Amino acid sequence: ETGVTQTPRHLVMGMTNKKSLKCEQHLGHNAMYWYKQSAKKPLELMFVYNFKEQTENNSVPSRFSPECPNSSHLFLHLHTLQPEDSALYLCASSQGAPRNTGELFFGEGSRLTVL
Amino acid sequence: AQSVTQPDIHITVSEGASLELRCNYSYGATPYLFWYVQSPGQGLQLLLKYFSGDTLVQGIKGFEAEFKRSQSSFNLRKPSVHWSDAAEYFCAVGRDSNAGKSTFGDGTTLTVKP
Repeated sequence: ETGVTQTPRHLVMGMTNKKSLKCEQHLGHNAMYWYKQSAKKPLELMFVYNFKEQTENNSVPSRFSPECPNSSHLFLHLHTLQPEDSALYLCASSQGAPRNTGELFFGEGSRLTVL
Repeated sequence: AQSVTQPDIHITVSEGASLELRCNYSYGATPYLFWYVQSPGQGLQLLLKYFSGDTLVQGIKGFEAEFKRSQSSFNLRKPSVHWSDAAEYFCAVGRDSNAGKSTFGDGTTLTVKP
């Protein structure tokens, strides 16, 4: 496997369910990100992790809970979501300081539908 | 705060025609600028980036972009469009080399007519 892999690709859940999105990068990067892409809205940065430490939480509701156990893996735990949370969730990675090239490598996304 | 404007929501061009996608940014210092492409059902892929130096940058798939500080623009161009270029294109500006803090434009959807 190469690049950034996200699972599952599609997820349908009820508002009372608990589910998780997984992201794995095989690029040796030190920084990982969660972005939300909704229809007709710009890409929204949710969380940033550098060397497993969360360095940015962009005012994301607590029903979204990220976890970064190591520099290669990133999770997004979901619970009691709302229908407006339906979106494409994109994971990305980058080299991070001090060798940050500025380039983001994205996974193919997890399409989430909340009923 | 930084911001990015892509004035064109949707552009249609004929295959073989030239293409220019517009991007205007707002940022107080020297920006880090990026163009990404997203095909349907896929993640975003970097086409090219500008940090400093030559204001005309070459990217993958035959794309290029020109940084014009006086106009706060970073327009994407391609001399001859192929049907496979149909996708959504995003311009992004970063506060520094930390790409994760980039701000993205709303995107421009490109349709290619046969």
